[in-house]
Amino acid sequence: NAGVTQTPKFQVLKTGQSMTLQCAQDMNHEYMSWYRQDPGMGLRLIHYSVGAGITDQGEVPNGYNVSRSTTEDFPLRLLSAAPSQTSVYFCASSYSDPTETQYFGPGTRLLVL
Amino acid sequence: SQELEQSPQSLIVQEGKNLTINCTSSKTLYGLYWYKQKYGEGLIFLMMLQKGGEEKSHEKITAKLDEKKQQSSLHITASQPSHAGIYLCGADSRGGSNYKLTFGKGTLLTVNP
Repeated sequence: NAGVTQTPKFQVLKTGQSMTLQCAQDMNHEYMSWYRQDPGMGLRLIHYSVGAGITDQGEVPNGYNVSRSTTEDFPLRLLSAAPSQTSVYFCASSYSDPTETQYFGPGTRLLVL
Repeated sequence: SQELEQSPQSLIVQEGKNLTINCTSSKTLYGLYWYKQKYGEGLIFLMMLQKGGEEKSHEKITAKLDEKKQQSSLHITASQPSHAGIYLCGADSRGGSNYKLTFGKGTLLTVNP
């Protein structure tokens, strides 16, 4: 099993550009989530999904869109990147909800200029 | 919303020394989760505590949950360089169907050989 994979590992964007952060898991997990990690702010939930076709907002959803068309994939879209979105992004998955063991991806480091 | 305060924010110890990290919640704890993060990597699940007074151990790491104090402690015995990293606590603030975990800001542990 590959676990949770994220691409790309690093990305530099200019303000206003759009991009999609990819996340995939091969563990047949229903629950998937996106977090961002910033110095002094800890880990904050952006969006989550409890199954294919079902998504909901987390703590800091503004500026991000998600969709879940398959169990395996949970992409995060930045429609118009802003410098405030410079961060490290982590995708995580668990069997059915976050109170079970969450498996985290290696992260995507995003710099918005 | 639930807030988790971790103390200390950072800790430097000599190899072989014992240490304790605390996590205090602003609300009732229904579940407390400890994760470890190595620099530049994703989080790895350590332990989950769900009952007041519960104590779990894995190798040289012991975690306890004090429901009355809304607090959990993580104790490392005879620390080793491999214990270095960021330790984060996460909590389940269950209110009906809640699919969100709140995380603390983390404690950075450095173990000097």
